[in-house]
Amino acid sequence: ELKVEQNPLFLSMQEGKNYTIYCNYSTTSDRLYWYRQDPGKSLESLFVLLSNGAVKQEGRLMASLDTKARLSTLHITAAVHDLSATYFCAVTTSGTYKYIFGTGTRLKVLA
Amino acid sequence: GAVVSQHPSRVICKSGTSVKIECRSLDFQATTMFWYRQFPKQSLMLMATSNEGSKATYEQGVEKDKFLINHASLTLSTLTVTSAHPEDSSFYICSASGTSGSGETQYFGPGTRLLVL
Repeated sequence: ELKVEQNPLFLSMQEGKNYTIYCNYSTTSDRLYWYRQDPGKSLESLFVLLSNGAVKQEGRLMASLDTKARLSTLHITAAVHDLSATYFCAVTTSGTYKYIFGTGTRLKVLA
Repeated sequence: GAVVSQHPSRVICKSGTSVKIECRSLDFQATTMFWYRQFPKQSLMLMATSNEGSKATYEQGVEKDKFLINHASLTLSTLTVTSAHPEDSSFYICSASGTSGSGETQYFGPGTRLLVL
């Protein structure tokens, strides 16, 4: 059974600081997604990572994938208050289109 | 492109009644639709996967007689919560995959918040 874990579960950080969220998954996967969710809202797609060593960046967020370690990271650079949200990674199971979501990381950026 | 809508966005109902939630792919044909449930401050849990014209596949622990899923066309899937109870109160999110993008990517709807009194 594919399991996806994120850490930390909660993150409170000051504006301007850098931090990394980790996503570990337990078995081989085809692709990995990162999403943002604001309170009361659905998911906003951030990144899709398709292969080992993939790195994608958008603004202050950068995601990477290491399929050998079964690890993805979401790095936040010089955080701003607007980045406060819950971030989820999701992994597809090989041979199916099902997503297995991570536990989520609730990020709060303090002004 | 790849827009998924849900209706209603919010519903309040009395215990024992049934509630239907619609999920539509607006600009692509969704060969597969997924239904998720999210309790407050928790992750998304997949409830079932539905393919157009066939019976839905439910995840372990999800009662198929309580959560009826119909995927009658390539743009519409419905989730009916039958005889709803307060513990069914949750945020229900659908997603769709199909002819848009890679075919494996899921596009998520805006969610439906259900409150059962």
